Amino acid sequence: GNSVTQMEGPVTLSEEAFLTINCTYTATGYPSLFWYVQYPGEGLQLLLKATKADDKGSNKGFEATYRKETTSFHLEKGSVQVSDSAVYFCALTGNTGKLIFGQGTTLQVKP
Amino acid sequence: DTGVSQDPRHKITKRGQNVTFRCDPISEHNRLYWYRQTLGQGPEFLTYFQNEAQLEKSRLLSDRFSAERPKGSFSTLEIQRTEQGDSAMYLCASSSLAGGLYEQFFGPGTRLTVL
Repeated sequence: GNSVTQMEGPVTLSEEAFLTINCTYTATGYPSLFWYVQYPGEGLQLLLKATKADDKGSNKGFEATYRKETTSFHLEKGSVQVSDSAVYFCALTGNTGKLIFGQGTTLQVKP
Repeated sequence: DTGVSQDPRHKITKRGQNVTFRCDPISEHNRLYWYRQTLGQGPEFLTYFQNEAQLEKSRLLSDRFSAERPKGSFSTLEIQRTEQGDSAMYLCASSSLAGGLYEQFFGPGTRLTVL
């Protein structure tokens, strides 16, 4: 069945450091891929998405590229801020629209 | 605010009791999803509706769980004879087709604690 695997956390970085959170997936067909973010005490928010191979999703300085050949959708940001501290979830969806999530990666950014 | 709302936000109950949660989706959205999230894990799909029709249920959804969306608007999720393993955050999301994609918008969740 479809599944998503994320790198283990927590990830701890200093402000302005480069961020990569790895995400790989297993899916039949051509899923759409997403990154969701959950800030402390808040609900899940869509961060970015990509619907087909080689698409790049971007938002708030974060980017991820849909790589079909490596079945990956790694999240990157060039310079993190303290306000980026949150839990990040990689997810995919197929034809029915239901989301399949990874286990989440906690990011802590220190000043 | 026109986002997805859930009620209650927190529920504490004793094992064996029944509980019911409500989700009000974004008004023009025809799809509504329920997920469950336990501590340290990603959300897991439970079930979804298109309008009032329940189109898919996860194998996670035991016969103690039932969900309805009677008029294609709000939805309820009921858990009968709660068990401690039901303790989790229950998330609702709604969506409609836009640009060929059903982008889901999540509510704040209902946190259930079963004592």
